[in-house]
Amino acid sequence: EDKVVQSPLSLVVHEGDTVTLNCSYEVTNFRSLLWYKQEKKAPTFLFMLTSSGIEKKSGRLSSILDKKELFSILNITATQTGDSAIYLCAVGTGNQFYFGTGTSLTVIP
Amino acid sequence: DGGITQSPKYLFRKEGQNVTLSCEQNLNHDAMYWYRQDPGQGLRLIYYSQIVNDFQKGDIAEGYSVSREKKESFPLTVTSAQKNPTAFYLCASKPTGGNEQYFGPGTRLTVT
Repeated sequence: EDKVVQSPLSLVVHEGDTVTLNCSYEVTNFRSLLWYKQEKKAPTFLFMLTSSGIEKKSGRLSSILDKKELFSILNITATQTGDSAIYLCAVGTGNQFYFGTGTSLTVIP
Repeated sequence: DGGITQSPKYLFRKEGQNVTLSCEQNLNHDAMYWYRQDPGQGLRLIYYSQIVNDFQKGDIAEGYSVSREKKESFPLTVTSAQKNPTAFYLCASKPTGGNEQYFGPGTRLTVT
């Protein structure tokens, strides 16, 4: 059975902290792994990863994929209150996308 | 403007009534998807369609129906057979050969 598991389920940090969110998967016909940010509405796209070992970076956010160990991490440095959201990981197979349950991040001032 | 639209944003219905959620895209994408999200949970796939006049069940299709008569449109009907219909419903699309999904703004359905 295809599945995507995210950890931790929730996280509370102080502004300025660095956080690492984890996503592991067991999916046949892997094509891509995507990270989304969701703030009480539709998910917004952050990164798409298809190759191992190549870091994707956007400002304070970065992500990397390990296709051998079947996981990805999303790093957020110098967190701000605006980073508070649910972060979703999804794995695409070409036909479907399998989503994890998400990590709820709360950043307190 | 290219994108995916869902309407309405909020929908209230009485138990026992069927309700249809709209999803339209002008991105010329072949594949379209319907997901359901419950509080504190990830997205669960209801139905998806790779091409006009064809669609497949996802993990939680019971109590739902769809149609795909046009490339641009993929409406979802929540029937009275769906036991717990109150949820946030998201529509998405994907271009052929692409690996990224694009989401609509969602419809929050409340059934009382």
